[in-house]
Amino acid sequence: EVQLVESGGGLVKPGGSLRLSCAASGFTFSSHSMNWVRQAPGKGLEWVSSISPGSDYIYYADSMKGRFTISRDNAKNSLYLQMNSLRAEDTAVYYCARKYYYDGSGCYDYWGQGTLVTVSS
Amino acid sequence: DIQLTQSPSFLSASVGDRVTITCRASQGISSYLAWYQQKPGKAPKLLIYAASTLQSGVPSRFSGSGSGTEFTLTISSLQSEDFATYYCQQPDSYPITFGQGTRLDIK
Repeated sequence: EVQLVESGGGLVKPGGSLRLSCAASGFTFSSHSMNWVRQAPGKGLEWVSSISPGSDYIYYADSMKGRFTISRDNAKNSLYLQMNSLRAEDTAVYYCARKYYYDGSGCYDYWGQGTLVTVSS
Repeated sequence: DIQLTQSPSFLSASVGDRVTITCRASQGISSYLAWYQQKPGKAPKLLIYAASTLQSGVPSRFSGSGSGTEFTLTISSLQSEDFATYYCQQPDSYPITFGQGTRLDIK
């Protein structure tokens, strides 16, 4: 059974840092692109960042560039998101999600339960 | 960036109704579109990918269609468990984008 379990969320002051983790199991982690998606309270889904299976392709949403760093450790079946210079508007539930490709088109077929990040003084 | 606009943003319907949600892309995306369902406090759940392919385990009352810039998600006969928020996503062109969501409520 595919499982994605996020951890590392919590309360942090503006300007602070936090590192999120996503532990994967039940599939060959090293074969899939992985992604972070967030959802601010009462708002819609917002893509944060993506990383290819071998970490050679990395993408960020513009508002996260230079502040967030995505990484993965295929030996540990783990995905990470290092978040620096956090702002109040980064307050959200952060989900990790697996990318699945079908006939050239992708989708996010498995999602974790999410971890809440609250940025407040 | 590819913008996705869903309509309507809110929809009120009854059990047994047929409902359709539209997602319009700001530029052509072929059939590269996915649909998700999200219930309060839960992670999104994949319903449809490649515009019209039903994810395994998803009831056949859900269907998707479209290509290019206009896509639809149809629920043929609403069940009580279908009341949720629905999002479209273009998953392949960076930055990845989602529609703003369509909240489906019980009438």
